[in-house]
Amino acid sequence: QSVLTQPPSVSAAPGQKVTISCSGSSSNIGNNYVSWYQQLPGTAPKLLIYENNKRPSGISDRFSGSKSGTSATLGITGLQTGDEADFYCGTWDSSLSAEVFGTGTKLTVL
Amino acid sequence: QVQLGQSGAEVKKPGASVTVSCKASGYTFTRYYIHWVRQAPGQGLEWMGVIYPSGGSTSYAQKFQGRVTMTSDTSTSTVYMELRSLRSDDTAVYYCARAEYYSDFDIWGQGTMVTVSS
Repeated sequence: QSVLTQPPSVSAAPGQKVTISCSGSSSNIGNNYVSWYQQLPGTAPKLLIYENNKRPSGISDRFSGSKSGTSATLGITGLQTGDEADFYCGTWDSSLSAEVFGTGTKLTVL
Repeated sequence: QVQLGQSGAEVKKPGASVTVSCKASGYTFTRYYIHWVRQAPGQGLEWMGVIYPSGGSTSYAQKFQGRVTMTSDTSTSTVYMELRSLRSDDTAVYYCARAEYYSDFDIWGQGTMVTVSS
């Protein structure tokens, strides 16, 4: 049972923008950095955003992250059909002493 | 090129044990933590635990305490994850992933499918 809540699905047309939310609590998002991962069908997850809003080398600036209180948001602009994937947020939970992930969001580019 | 290469798919019977390996290459093995994350078919990501290869210290998710053991071999830059007393709900893809500490898993293995079936 995930302790971070994400919408099951989001969709938008090519070229548009979409946001994916991740809701947690003070024991996780509220006091720790948030990461975001993209998982294309049949592949391992890939790190998109770390420390709330930083992008690893090679990740497009179409992806952005933000955090406010106990929630975090992933933004994707200029949507492409190749962006279709499952997206997960992740962070450390100080109460559980465990890394926790969001429930996952499936992105469909219509 | 920084990589984590995992062992191949496994099929096990309930009650058995499985060991999955994760071989690191392209970076200093002892400077990064290796985490294990699993994903049941059609489900989300679940963290199992972490090992720091330099010294071998470990931390396991409470759910897996007593049933999982993670070890490392610095001579071969390989980490092992053993899961015992397998049940059908342990059927999943098991991933190893690298991090500088906790969170921010920047390199992932290709995944190892473990199927538990009688």
